[in-house]
Amino acid sequence: SQQGEEDPQALSIQEGENATMNCSYKTSINNLQWYRQNSGRGLVHLILIRSNEREKHSGRLRVTLDTSKKSSSLLITASRAADTASYFCATDPYGQNFVFGPGTRLSVLP
Amino acid sequence: DSGVTQTPKHLITATGQRVTLRCSPRSGDLSVYWYQQSLDQGLQFLIQYYNGEERAKGNILERFSAQQFPDLHSELNLSSLELGDSALYFCASSVGVTNTGELFFGEGSRLTVL
Repeated sequence: SQQGEEDPQALSIQEGENATMNCSYKTSINNLQWYRQNSGRGLVHLILIRSNEREKHSGRLRVTLDTSKKSSSLLITASRAADTASYFCATDPYGQNFVFGPGTRLSVLP
Repeated sequence: DSGVTQTPKHLITATGQRVTLRCSPRSGDLSVYWYQQSLDQGLQFLIQYYNGEERAKGNILERFSAQQFPDLHSELNLSSLELGDSALYFCASSVGVTNTGELFFGEGSRLTVL
């Protein structure tokens, strides 16, 4: 498996529901980031959480980090059709350059 | 709009050819990163430049090379192209030399090798 892996690979929900995506990684990290990518477009930064933080919020997004389990979760509340995208976690193994996972494809159905 | 500009947006070429992809980072950013995104390999880090100097190397093939110019724009050169080089190539930029913060991505250059 890769340094960072998102789970599930694909997720389909109804508008208004919450979406939860998970990221697991293997090595010690300093930071973990979540990015969104609309089909064929560039990645857009959503949130960064440092290794000494456990939870961060940004609008409808909530990110948690559990360094003991080497895992993070991204929760999108009250999802909208516009949230349909791929979501990637990126980790910096041993403080080196960020490595991206394969992503979770989220479909929000109207 | 991230402020990172990549050209060309689309490029179709033949095997064995050479292409150059160009990236202008966000104003004030000194680091430029190149990533390759393909269906089977995901988003792969290729190389990073900081203020004109190579800073870190990832999974970059010997057929590929990059440089960052004094005005901080960067070019990624891909030569002896193979079918498997077809991918989206992204440039990203950040302020500092170490990868501790947000990366700003361009919209990518889609390369198709026929």
